[in-house]
Amino acid sequence: EDQVTQSPEALRLQEGESSSLNCSYTVSGLRGLFWYRQDPGKGPEFLFTLYSAGEEKEKERLKATLTKKESFLHITAPKPEDSATYLCAVPAAYSGAGSYQLTFGKGTKLSVIP
Amino acid sequence: KAGVTQTPRYLIKTRGQQVTLSCSPISGHRSVSWYQQTPGQGLQFLFEYFSETQRNKGNFPGRFSGRQFSNSRSEMNVSTLELGDSALYLCASGGGQGNSQETQYFGPGTRLLVL
Repeated sequence: EDQVTQSPEALRLQEGESSSLNCSYTVSGLRGLFWYRQDPGKGPEFLFTLYSAGEEKEKERLKATLTKKESFLHITAPKPEDSATYLCAVPAAYSGAGSYQLTFGKGTKLSVIP
Repeated sequence: KAGVTQTPRYLIKTRGQQVTLSCSPISGHRSVSWYQQTPGQGLQFLFEYFSETQRNKGNFPGRFSGRQFSNSRSEMNVSTLELGDSALYLCASGGGQGNSQETQYFGPGTRLLVL
């Protein structure tokens, strides 16, 4: 069964204090790994897609990396507006090519304190 | 381009009632997926529709159903509501070009409270 595990569940950082969020997965035939950001009461907002081990993508203070078993979301010098829940997801292995069925982790709730 | 829209945004129902939620995908997108989000279980896949056909279904009881129209708009229905159905229901749309690595874009969700 596909599994996506995120750690830590919650992370509290001082403004400017860099850190990393982890997403480990067990799925056969990975067809991509997605990172989303979700603010309270809103839908997830797409951040990155990673397709293969060694790939990295950056957006402002965020950088996502992928290995064969896990992905990291590095946050450099975070600001209070980076506070949100960060979710990672993988396409379900049994969903078939072309399907959009995603298996999500429970998320990491990030709080950045001024 | 307009994003994914969902209506209504908030809904209060009582046990035993039924509810219909609506989703309009991004223009040109043919795939619509539905997810349920609760604090305990996180985001869980309900079903996916592509060109008016259900392509995949998650592990939810038959009380949860959906459909997609020829303009790609989708509705989901929950019959005989239970307290545990209280959740944020999210709709996501994708291009449906046949590549499972494509990105899904989520709507703002419908918050359902069952009393």
